[in-house]
Amino acid sequence: GESVGLHLPTLSVQEGDNSIINCAYSNSASDYFIWYKQESGKGPQFIIDIRSNMDKRQGQRVTVLLNKTVKHLSPQIAATQPGDSAVYFCAELDTGGGNKLTFGTGTQLKVEL
Amino acid sequence: KAGVTQTPRYLIKTRGQQVTLSCSPISGHRSVSWYQQTPGQGLQFLFEYFSETQRNKGNFPGRFSGRQFSNSRSEMNVSTLELGDSALYLCASIPVAGGSGEQFFGPGTRLTVL
Repeated sequence: GESVGLHLPTLSVQEGDNSIINCAYSNSASDYFIWYKQESGKGPQFIIDIRSNMDKRQGQRVTVLLNKTVKHLSPQIAATQPGDSAVYFCAELDTGGGNKLTFGTGTQLKVEL
Repeated sequence: KAGVTQTPRYLIKTRGQQVTLSCSPISGHRSVSWYQQTPGQGLQFLFEYFSETQRNKGNFPGRFSGRQFSNSRSEMNVSTLELGDSALYLCASIPVAGGSGEQFFGPGTRLTVL
């Protein structure tokens, strides 16, 4: 059928809960993954990155888990706050050099008070 | 330090016209990439420039072109506009020549084609 737009998955969480987003990738050669946040009316903002030689990377309230066996990325936010409401994108850095990013579809995170 | 500047922020054009969008990267950043964001296709890579040279190009028709100046400022041009070119055009400023996942995006230029 005709595509009228990407289906943007929505994740609704209660304030204070943890938010877990799921990203799948298909290229086994991909070795550098990045997580971006995009608030309404703004460009994407870098949150955290992880390379394929790592399984886990932590920042302030954010963690990203990488499972290379099933080609799955799991970015997480601890103690989610209203200011975390945004669209979140997983991205891969192109392996051919340069700085080209390939973005996933994105997940809309809604924080309920 | 100043962030990424994109001008204009909003633009309305009609089919068949052409448009030029501008991006001023963060001072000291020599790599600039452009992306198109639409509800239908998401975020798609257009092209990347480093030291005034185009290094990568996405899967867009030749109507989409760009350039980078010696001060690292970049412009992109879309000729013979089509309705489907309506989108948010984002510019990313990158501090290194390659391999950087941490990129700094501007607020975008919202282009509407009527």
